[in-house]
Amino acid sequence: GENVEQHPSTLSVQEGDSAVIKCTYSDSASNYFPWYKQELGKGPQLIIDIRSNVGEKKDQRIAVTLNKTAKHFSLHITETQPEDSAVYFCAASIGSYGQNFVFGPGTRLSVLP
Amino acid sequence: GAVVSQHPSWVICKSGTSVKIECRSLDFQATTMFWYRQFPKQSLMLMATSNEGSKATYEQGVEKDKFLINHASLTLSTLTVTSAHPEDSSFYICSARGGRDSTDTQYFGPGTRLTVL
Repeated sequence: GENVEQHPSTLSVQEGDSAVIKCTYSDSASNYFPWYKQELGKGPQLIIDIRSNVGEKKDQRIAVTLNKTAKHFSLHITETQPEDSAVYFCAASIGSYGQNFVFGPGTRLSVLP
Repeated sequence: GAVVSQHPSWVICKSGTSVKIECRSLDFQATTMFWYRQFPKQSLMLMATSNEGSKATYEQGVEKDKFLINHASLTLSTLTVTSAHPEDSSFYICSARGGRDSTDTQYFGPGTRLTVL
C-alpha cells in the first residue's frame, strides 16, 4: 500500500525566512497531493494542492513542487510569519474510485519572531 | 472554499454513555464523508468512509458496533460513540468531498474533542 514519509518532523525558522517541508510517497499511481495546515485544537485546513499533470503550483507565499519520477513533493513557504506556526500534513491519494488519502506524520513549524 | 462544520466542538460524558457527533457540509453536497481520530501530536487516523445512502466502510481495527456512522443525506453524517470509555477520549475530525474520486478535494471540519470520564 501507499506510504507517505514527511521531513522534518519539527522545523524552526526566523520570521521572514523560508521554510521547506518534503514528502515522499511509494505508490506511483498516486496523482493528487494536498497539503493541510492544522492549528492547535482545530481541524486541518487545505492550503494548497497539486495534481500529477503539474510540476509546480504557487499561491502567494506558498508553493508546492512535484517530482513524479522521484516520487516526492515539497511545500515551500516564503517570508514566513508567526501565524504560519502550525502542524503541516502532506497527503497522497490512493486508489481512484471512492478511496482516500494517506497522510504524512506531520511537521511542526515554529516561526520565531 | 467549502465549509464543513462539526457539532459539538467539545463534549464531556460519563463512562458507559453514548455520544453523537454531527458533521455537515454547509455549501456543497458531500458524496463522501470521512471520520478520523487524532491523538495528541500524531497524524490523522482514518476510522471509516461513508458514502451517502450506503453503509460505512470501516478501517481495520475499528469496531463498527462501537462507532456507528450514518450518512443519511448529502450534507450530514453522524458518528455515534456507543458505551464510551475513557480510552475513547480523543479528537474526532470529519471531512467531506463532493465526488467519489480520491483526487477530489477533501475539506475538514473543526473537530470534536471527546473526553470520557
